[in-house]
Amino acid sequence: EAEVAQSPRYKITEKSQAVAFWCDPISGHATLYWYRQILGQGPELLVQFQDESVVDDSQLPKDRFSAERLKGVDSTLKIQPAELGDSAMYLCASNSGGEQYFGPGTRLTVT
Amino acid sequence: ILNVEQSPQSLHVQEGDSTNFTCSFPSSNFYALHWYRWETAKSPEALFVMTLNGDEKKKGRISATLNTKEGYSYLYIKGSQPEDSATYLCAFISSDSWGKLQFGAGTQVVVTP
Repeated sequence: EAEVAQSPRYKITEKSQAVAFWCDPISGHATLYWYRQILGQGPELLVQFQDESVVDDSQLPKDRFSAERLKGVDSTLKIQPAELGDSAMYLCASNSGGEQYFGPGTRLTVT
Repeated sequence: ILNVEQSPQSLHVQEGDSTNFTCSFPSSNFYALHWYRWETAKSPEALFVMTLNGDEKKKGRISATLNTKEGYSYLYIKGSQPEDSATYLCAFISSDSWGKLQFGAGTQVVVTP
């Protein structure tokens, strides 16, 4: 069964450092999402791609976060510089037929 | 209700007991409600997509109901088993959100043998 892949699964970084997460959606899925889940809260959409284009990044803190999906397949989410408040689970999902399929997430801890 | 709210935040269930919990969402501009199960160290897994008022969906021992007029959905687990231990998330889609999921904070279920 096809799955959404994410790496790394866990990342510990010091504040002010740069960090990057990678997502490979299910093959053929044109829509890709990045979510952030802070402990005790539900996942919040950071950015949505349709193929290589950003269609919604209204909740992305653009001063430090960037996301790209250059060839419309896999995607990278970057944080530079990381802050303590960025500690969270970062989930990637891709969409087919209205159903979102999630990856296992990257747990980020900023110290 | 302006946001998606889930209650309780967590619950402990004895193996074999049945349980249920709630997702509340805005009653206007309803498009769909999704339920996900998220086990530790795994990917969130889709359980149900509910679109019609009065919908009832079932998957094994888990079932869900939907009331769009009053803005709530119940998830039921019958005869809980340890493998049902997970966080259950609901996500609301409004008709004017272009398919954007608005998640609740989840209900964490722990089933003890």
